[in-house]
Amino acid sequence: QVQLVQSGVEVKKPGASVQVSCKASGYDFTNYGITWVRQAPGQGLEWMAWISGYNGKTSSAPKFQDRVTMTADTSTSTVYMELRGLISNDTAVYYCARDVNLIVGGLAWLDSWGQGTLVTVSS
Amino acid sequence: EILMTQSPATLSVSPGERATLSCRSSQSIGSNLAWYQQKPGQSPRLLIYHASTRATGIPARFSGSGSGTEFTLTITSLQSEDFAVYYCQQYNDWPGFGQGTKVEIK
Repeated sequence: QVQLVQSGVEVKKPGASVQVSCKASGYDFTNYGITWVRQAPGQGLEWMAWISGYNGKTSSAPKFQDRVTMTADTSTSTVYMELRGLISNDTAVYYCARDVNLIVGGLAWLDSWGQGTLVTVSS
Repeated sequence: EILMTQSPATLSVSPGERATLSCRSSQSIGSNLAWYQQKPGQSPRLLIYHASTRATGIPARFSGSGSGTEFTLTITSLQSEDFAVYYCQQYNDWPGFGQGTKVEIK
């Protein structure tokens, strides 16, 4: 079965960077994309960025373009998402999700989700 | 930017009754809409895509309808496990989610 397993809880200071990993299994990694969605405490879902498992192409929401970097390791079916310049408002649960579009980011639904990674930004 | 508006914010329903959730987009998105369910402390789960296609394993009591700018998620005969927050997501253009509708026990 499809599984997305994310790395564990992170606590960071303002200005730092955080890297969250997402290891996929149970499907052909190169046939899908991976999208990152975050959820601040008590808030809704926010689409952040996407990476193709096929060719590593990426796209990001405008508000994250300057701060997010993603890489895909096809040998281990793992995606890494780095968020730089953390501020308190970045405190959230970060989810990776399988995106059925492997060519263009943001133009498809998300059919399987990781368990989420809590990132807390605090001085 | 396409804005997604869900209503109501909270819906109080008795078990066994029908729930009707609305999602409206600020411009036409065709049928490029998905619905997700999120229970407390859990990750979202895909329910519906292409506005009306149920995802794998989703019970038939969940149905989606609509196109253009107006969409509806209907849950017939609510079960205890259906009380959750529901989000719509458009993927016609740069993706975005609605703010969610919480379905609570009346």
